[in-house]
Amino acid sequence: ETGVTQTPRHLVMGMTNKKSLKCEQHLGHNAMYWYKQSAKKPLELMFVYNFKEQTENNSVPSRFSPECPNSSHLFLHLHTLQPEDSALYLCASSRALGAGYTFGSGTRLTVV
Amino acid sequence: KQEVTQIPAALSVPEGENLVLNCSFTDSAIYNLQWFRQDPGKGLTSLLLIQSSQREQTSGRLNASLDKSSGRSTLYIAASQPGDSATYLCAAPYGGSQGNLIFGKGTKLSVKP
Repeated sequence: ETGVTQTPRHLVMGMTNKKSLKCEQHLGHNAMYWYKQSAKKPLELMFVYNFKEQTENNSVPSRFSPECPNSSHLFLHLHTLQPEDSALYLCASSRALGAGYTFGSGTRLTVV
Repeated sequence: KQEVTQIPAALSVPEGENLVLNCSFTDSAIYNLQWFRQDPGKGLTSLLLIQSSQREQTSGRLNASLDKSSGRSTLYIAASQPGDSATYLCAAPYGGSQGNLIFGKGTKLSVKP
Protein backbone atom coordinates (compact mmCIF):
# COMPACT_ATOMS: atom_id res chain seq x y z
CA GLU A 1 0.00 0.00 0.00
CA THR A 2 1.29 3.41 -0.94
CA GLY A 3 -1.05 5.41 1.27
CA VAL A 4 -3.33 6.22 -1.66
CA THR A 5 -6.24 3.81 -1.98
CA GLN A 6 -8.41 3.50 -5.06
CA THR A 7 -11.68 1.61 -5.34
CA PRO A 8 -12.86 -0.36 -7.13
CA ARG A 9 -9.79 -2.04 -8.60
CA HIS A 10 -11.76 -3.19 -11.64
CA LEU A 11 -14.98 -1.87 -13.14
CA VAL A 12 -17.01 -2.97 -16.16
CA MET A 13 -19.84 -0.66 -17.15
CA GLY A 14 -22.24 -0.19 -20.00
CA MET A 15 -22.38 3.02 -21.97
CA THR A 16 -25.62 4.08 -20.28
CA ASN A 17 -24.48 3.36 -16.73
CA LYS A 18 -23.46 5.82 -14.04
CA LYS A 19 -20.60 4.85 -11.76
CA SER A 20 -18.03 6.52 -9.53
CA LEU A 21 -14.36 5.95 -8.84
CA LYS A 22 -13.06 6.70 -5.37
CA CYS A 23 -9.63 7.77 -4.19
CA GLU A 24 -8.59 8.22 -0.57
CA GLN A 25 -5.31 9.31 1.00
CA HIS A 26 -4.28 9.63 4.62
CA LEU A 27 -0.86 11.09 3.96
CA GLY A 28 -1.84 14.62 4.92
CA HIS A 29 -1.38 15.75 1.33
CA ASN A 30 -3.19 18.82 0.05
CA ALA A 31 -3.16 18.20 -3.70
CA MET A 32 -4.88 15.35 -5.52
CA TYR A 33 -4.91 14.35 -9.17
CA TRP A 34 -6.70 12.12 -11.67
CA TYR A 35 -4.69 10.62 -14.53
CA LYS A 36 -5.78 8.40 -17.42
CA GLN A 37 -3.50 5.73 -18.85
CA SER A 38 -4.50 4.24 -22.20
CA ALA A 39 -2.58 1.55 -24.04
CA LYS A 40 0.56 2.83 -25.76
CA LYS A 41 -0.02 6.43 -24.68
CA PRO A 42 1.65 8.48 -21.94
CA LEU A 43 -0.26 9.16 -18.77
CA GLU A 44 -2.67 12.00 -19.38
CA LEU A 45 -3.48 14.48 -16.64
CA MET A 46 -7.24 14.93 -16.24
CA PHE A 47 -7.91 17.02 -13.13
CA VAL A 48 -5.97 18.72 -10.35
CA TYR A 49 -7.32 19.73 -6.95
CA ASN A 50 -5.43 21.80 -4.41
CA PHE A 51 -6.99 22.30 -0.96
CA LYS A 52 -10.29 20.95 -2.38
CA GLU A 53 -10.36 23.51 -5.18
CA GLN A 54 -10.04 22.46 -8.80
CA THR A 55 -7.02 24.13 -10.35
CA GLU A 56 -6.79 22.23 -13.62
CA ASN A 57 -9.22 20.64 -16.06
CA ASN A 58 -7.22 19.32 -18.97
CA SER A 59 -10.02 19.63 -21.54
CA VAL A 60 -11.73 16.54 -20.19
CA PRO A 61 -15.17 15.67 -21.65
CA SER A 62 -18.11 16.46 -19.38
CA ARG A 63 -19.01 12.77 -19.11
CA PHE A 64 -16.21 12.73 -16.52
CA SER A 65 -17.15 14.76 -13.44
CA PRO A 66 -14.71 15.09 -10.53
CA GLU A 67 -15.59 15.82 -6.94
CA CYS A 68 -13.29 16.67 -4.05
CA PRO A 69 -15.25 17.00 -0.78
CA ASN A 70 -12.10 17.35 1.33
CA SER A 71 -8.34 17.10 0.95
CA SER A 72 -8.37 13.36 1.67
CA HIS A 73 -11.00 12.21 -0.81
CA LEU A 74 -11.39 12.49 -4.55
CA PHE A 75 -14.10 11.03 -6.74
CA LEU A 76 -14.54 10.66 -10.48
CA HIS A 77 -18.18 10.35 -11.52
CA LEU A 78 -18.76 8.60 -14.82
CA HIS A 79 -21.82 8.70 -17.07
CA THR A 80 -22.58 7.81 -20.69
CA LEU A 81 -19.02 6.74 -21.36
CA GLN A 82 -17.67 5.50 -24.66
CA PRO A 83 -15.67 2.32 -25.32
CA GLU A 84 -12.58 4.48 -25.98
CA ASP A 85 -12.77 5.62 -22.36
CA SER A 86 -11.64 2.16 -21.30
CA ALA A 87 -8.31 2.66 -19.54
CA LEU A 88 -6.47 2.55 -16.24
CA TYR A 89 -7.49 5.54 -14.12
CA LEU A 90 -4.88 6.57 -11.61
CA CYS A 91 -5.21 8.84 -8.62
CA ALA A 92 -2.23 10.59 -7.07
CA SER A 93 -1.59 12.99 -4.23
CA SER A 94 1.22 15.30 -3.17
CA ARG A 95 2.00 17.41 -0.14
CA ALA A 96 1.76 20.51 -2.30
CA LEU A 97 1.55 21.28 -5.99
CA GLY A 98 4.90 20.35 -7.45
CA ALA A 99 6.03 18.14 -4.56
CA GLY A 100 6.63 14.43 -5.02
CA TYR A 101 3.61 12.40 -6.13
CA THR A 102 2.27 9.22 -4.54
CA PHE A 103 0.06 7.12 -6.79
CA GLY A 104 -2.69 4.65 -6.04
CA SER A 105 -2.92 1.25 -7.73
CA GLY A 106 -5.53 2.45 -10.18
CA THR A 107 -8.98 1.40 -11.37
CA ARG A 108 -9.08 -0.68 -14.54
CA LEU A 109 -12.21 0.54 -16.35
CA THR A 110 -13.82 -1.32 -19.23
CA VAL A 111 -16.73 0.27 -21.08
CA VAL A 112 -18.85 -2.20 -23.04
CA LYS B 1 4.47 23.38 -23.07
CA GLN B 2 6.44 20.60 -21.41
CA GLU B 3 7.25 17.52 -23.50
CA VAL B 4 9.02 14.50 -22.05
CA THR B 5 10.78 11.92 -24.21
CA GLN B 6 12.26 8.64 -23.06
CA ILE B 7 14.83 6.59 -24.94
CA PRO B 8 14.95 3.69 -25.54
CA ALA B 9 11.29 2.60 -25.65
CA ALA B 10 12.31 -0.93 -24.73
CA LEU B 11 15.46 -2.57 -23.45
CA SER B 12 16.40 -6.18 -22.85
CA VAL B 13 19.56 -7.02 -20.90
CA PRO B 14 21.07 -10.06 -19.21
CA GLU B 15 21.04 -10.21 -15.44
CA GLY B 16 23.94 -8.43 -13.75
CA GLU B 17 24.40 -5.77 -16.40
CA ASN B 18 24.55 -2.07 -15.54
CA LEU B 19 22.22 0.06 -17.61
CA VAL B 20 21.15 3.64 -18.26
CA LEU B 21 17.70 4.94 -19.10
CA ASN B 22 17.40 8.36 -20.69
CA CYS B 23 14.84 11.12 -20.29
CA SER B 24 14.73 14.52 -21.98
CA PHE B 25 12.40 17.44 -21.36
CA THR B 26 11.76 20.64 -23.30
CA ASP B 27 10.96 23.14 -20.54
CA SER B 28 14.04 23.40 -18.31
CA ALA B 29 12.32 25.71 -15.82
CA ILE B 30 11.49 22.78 -13.57
CA TYR B 31 11.88 22.56 -9.82
CA ASN B 32 12.04 18.79 -9.70
CA LEU B 33 11.93 15.63 -11.78
CA GLN B 34 10.59 12.27 -10.70
CA TRP B 35 11.27 8.70 -11.80
CA PHE B 36 8.62 5.99 -11.37
CA ARG B 37 8.35 2.29 -11.89
CA GLN B 38 5.19 0.59 -13.17
CA ASP B 39 4.58 -3.15 -13.18
CA PRO B 40 2.08 -4.50 -15.73
CA GLY B 41 -1.49 -3.49 -14.93
CA LYS B 42 -0.44 -1.77 -11.71
CA GLY B 43 -0.09 1.74 -10.41
CA LEU B 44 3.12 3.75 -10.27
CA THR B 45 5.76 3.42 -7.60
CA SER B 46 7.92 6.47 -6.96
CA LEU B 47 11.63 5.66 -7.22
CA LEU B 48 13.51 8.93 -6.99
CA LEU B 49 12.68 12.63 -6.80
CA ILE B 50 15.43 15.06 -7.77
CA GLN B 51 15.05 18.69 -6.78
CA SER B 52 16.31 21.31 -9.23
CA SER B 53 19.06 22.27 -6.80
CA GLN B 54 20.40 18.71 -6.81
CA ARG B 55 22.47 17.02 -9.49
CA GLU B 56 21.66 13.46 -8.49
CA GLN B 57 19.84 11.18 -6.09
CA THR B 58 20.63 7.63 -5.06
CA SER B 59 18.53 4.83 -3.65
CA GLY B 60 20.15 1.43 -3.38
CA ARG B 61 21.18 0.29 -6.85
CA LEU B 62 19.43 3.25 -8.48
CA ASN B 63 21.03 6.58 -9.27
CA ALA B 64 19.26 9.41 -11.06
CA SER B 65 20.96 12.51 -12.39
CA LEU B 66 19.52 15.81 -13.54
CA ASP B 67 21.02 18.35 -15.94
CA LYS B 68 18.54 21.20 -16.30
CA SER B 69 20.66 23.17 -18.74
CA SER B 70 20.62 20.36 -21.29
CA GLY B 71 17.08 19.21 -20.42
CA ARG B 72 18.17 15.68 -19.54
CA SER B 73 17.92 13.14 -16.78
CA THR B 74 19.30 9.63 -16.59
CA LEU B 75 18.40 6.67 -14.41
CA TYR B 76 21.30 4.33 -13.77
CA ILE B 77 20.54 0.80 -12.56
CA ALA B 78 23.50 -1.15 -11.25
CA ALA B 79 23.78 -4.94 -11.30
CA SER B 80 20.33 -5.45 -12.82
CA GLN B 81 18.08 -8.28 -11.57
CA PRO B 82 15.05 -10.01 -13.11
CA GLY B 83 12.91 -8.26 -10.47
CA ASP B 84 13.86 -4.95 -12.05
CA SER B 85 11.78 -5.85 -15.10
CA ALA B 86 9.09 -3.17 -15.41
CA THR B 87 8.31 0.04 -17.25
CA TYR B 88 10.25 3.06 -16.01
CA LEU B 89 8.61 6.45 -16.34
CA CYS B 90 10.14 9.88 -16.15
CA ALA B 91 7.96 12.87 -15.25
CA ALA B 92 8.63 16.61 -15.19
CA PRO B 93 6.33 19.38 -14.03
CA TYR B 94 4.61 21.68 -16.46
CA GLY B 95 5.93 25.15 -15.69
CA GLY B 96 5.03 27.69 -13.08
CA SER B 97 3.53 26.63 -9.80
CA GLN B 98 0.86 24.35 -11.20
CA GLY B 99 2.87 21.27 -10.34
CA ASN B 100 1.26 19.18 -13.02
CA LEU B 101 3.44 16.25 -13.96
CA ILE B 102 3.97 15.48 -17.63
CA PHE B 103 5.03 11.91 -18.30
CA GLY B 104 7.13 10.27 -20.95
CA LYS B 105 5.94 7.08 -22.63
CA GLY B 106 8.37 5.06 -20.57
CA THR B 107 11.12 2.54 -21.13
CA LYS B 108 10.07 -1.10 -20.85
CA LEU B 109 12.93 -3.00 -19.25
CA SER B 110 13.33 -6.75 -19.37
CA VAL B 111 16.14 -8.35 -17.39
CA LYS B 112 16.81 -11.95 -18.45
CA PRO B 113 18.05 -14.50 -15.88
